[in-house]
Formats: sequence, C-alpha cells, structure tokens
Amino acid sequence: QQQVKQSPQSLIVQKGGISIINCAYENTAFDYFPWYQQFPGKGPALLIAIRPDVSEKKEGRFTISFNKSAKQFSLHIMDSQPGDSATYFCAASLLSGDKIIFGKGTRLHILP
Amino acid sequence: KAGVTQTPRYLIKTRGQQVTLSCSPISGHRSVSWYQQTPGQGLQFLFEYFSETQRNKGNFPGRFSGRQFSNSRSEMNVSTLELGDSALYLCASSIGTGQETQYFGPGTRLLVL
Repeated sequence: QQQVKQSPQSLIVQKGGISIINCAYENTAFDYFPWYQQFPGKGPALLIAIRPDVSEKKEGRFTISFNKSAKQFSLHIMDSQPGDSATYFCAASLLSGDKIIFGKGTRLHILP
Repeated sequence: KAGVTQTPRYLIKTRGQQVTLSCSPISGHRSVSWYQQTPGQGLQFLFEYFSETQRNKGNFPGRFSGRQFSNSRSEMNVSTLELGDSALYLCASSIGTGQETQYFGPGTRLLVL
C-alpha cells in the first residue's frame, strides 16, 4: 500500500499553543519522511525531515516524532505563531528515489 | 541562486485543447519532478525526469506526458484537456535522483472550461 494518511484536515490553535499534525503510512519500505509547508500562492517548501533510524528530530520550534512500530509520525509546532498559518503536508518516500507519496494536507490557522 | 521558475503562472483552456507547461530548475539541479495539486486529491506525483530520462511515473493517464532537455529544463504536456485537469501544477527540482530536499516552484494554475 502506498497511502499516507494525514490528520486533521484543518486545525485552529491559539498563539503560543502547540500545533500537532499526525500522519500514518503503510509501506514499511519507506525510509524518508519529510514535512512541507505551503503558503497561499507558493509552492511547498521543505520544513523538516526524518529518517526511521531516529525517533525524534527537532529544528527550532518544529519537532518530528517518529514511531516506527506504529508506522506513524507527527509534526509538533511549539509556541505557534500567526506566521505559521499555512498548509502542511507530510510525505513518505524511498531515499533511493522512488516516487514520493504526500498526505492530503492540514490547513493550520493560528489565532493572534 | 534563482529558484525554480514555472511558466506560465496562470492558464485558461477549454475542454479538448492541449497545454504545455514549462519548468526551469535551480541551476545545477538535474532532477525535475511534476505534481498535480487539487483540493480534493492533494499533491499527486506525475513523473520525474533525470538527465533527459523519465525515472518514475505516477498513476495518471497517457494524456499527461513530459520531457526534459539537456539543460535540465522540463516541459509537461496535457492533451485533450478535461474539466478535471483543472489544478495547480507544481514542478520541483533536486540535485540528484533521490527525494531528499526537493525545491518547488510557485506552480502553474490551470483552469479548464
């Protein structure tokens, strides 16, 4: 199976709160899990990525948590800011270069 | 270094027509991938080109085709347009053939009437 299931579809968080977006995959061969951020009128931009040999990766306010046994990974945005309001996509692929599978996206809105 | 550029940015066509979209990757990048983005289906992979050769292809009908030139620039063609082809078409480039760190262009928004 090649699907990547992403939830929630939309999310509203107060400024300063924690935003959490979850993804689940089926193909255990996937070895690269990036998150992309997309603002209106722009293409997606790589935010942060993880490989399955680590359980967590942190870059600034953004953290990926990875649970290999459950085949799930999530994005946590700490101290969420209005500028974080965007659509977020999780994805899964093989580093060897096979096609990348995207989740359907989460539209995040941070209330000022 | 200039980013990925796509032309045109907006396009309106009618059913049955064909369309060609263009993508110029970041200088030095040899891999170009194309994606279709719609509200209902999200981001869907169309195909990937590396050194003028198609490496991977998504689950789209044969009406969708592409090519890559020796300077890594790529074109995507859709023939016999259908209403359902209305979407944002995104191009992404990367240095090599792996999926790591793809850089997306702003996309071409296609409307089929």
